[in-house]
Amino acid sequence: DSGVTQTPKHLITATGQRVTLRCSPRSGDLSVYWYQQSLDQGLQFLIQYYNGEERAKGNILERFSAQQFPDLHSELNLSSLELGDSALYFCASSTSQGTGANVLTFGAGSRLTVL
Amino acid sequence: AQSVAQPEDQVNVAEGNPLTVKCTYSVSGNPYLFWYVQYPNRGLQFLLKYITGDNLVKGSYGFEAEFNKSQTSFHLKKPSALVSDSALYFCAVRDGDMRFGAGTRLTVKP
Repeated sequence: DSGVTQTPKHLITATGQRVTLRCSPRSGDLSVYWYQQSLDQGLQFLIQYYNGEERAKGNILERFSAQQFPDLHSELNLSSLELGDSALYFCASSTSQGTGANVLTFGAGSRLTVL
Repeated sequence: AQSVAQPEDQVNVAEGNPLTVKCTYSVSGNPYLFWYVQYPNRGLQFLLKYITGDNLVKGSYGFEAEFNKSQTSFHLKKPSALVSDSALYFCAVRDGDMRFGAGTRLTVKP
């Protein structure tokens, strides 16, 4: 157990729907990162939050949004889902804002299947 | 922007033989480089990192990595591979957020 908790583990939904993925970071970590892992595109960085504030943005679609709450848990919202959104979504946490050599600790992932 | 490249999708080695998983990087400034491993149906696990100093970095499970500034490489190595080392390996670079390579699938055959 890495200390990073992601729910749900598996999710099956239909095109056009909206889902929310949840992440609780490791105790003491202030940064949360979201990544998308698909077969053909590897591990893509989506977005990072540090202590409630958006810190960095990667290849995140406009249909996707995220936030980090005062208790530091984070949610990734995916809307108007398409077949191509089927992927494994990882959350990771670290202590720092993003500079330096702090290690990211990953959760086990949420597998989204869009039918 | 920083990036890493893993030129091999797949690496196959026999158990007991040395293994190398290749990674090259592109950054402006001093790089922070990492290796992670992903076992089936699991999240990524940290193996080792390079910050500065000694070019040979030792990590978990007997893995080590060699930083080469002139060749902009950070190859992962292990002197004697185990079947249990079979997994997906990712090189990453950090300059703000962390960017990962495409991954290399290592298969160690008995």
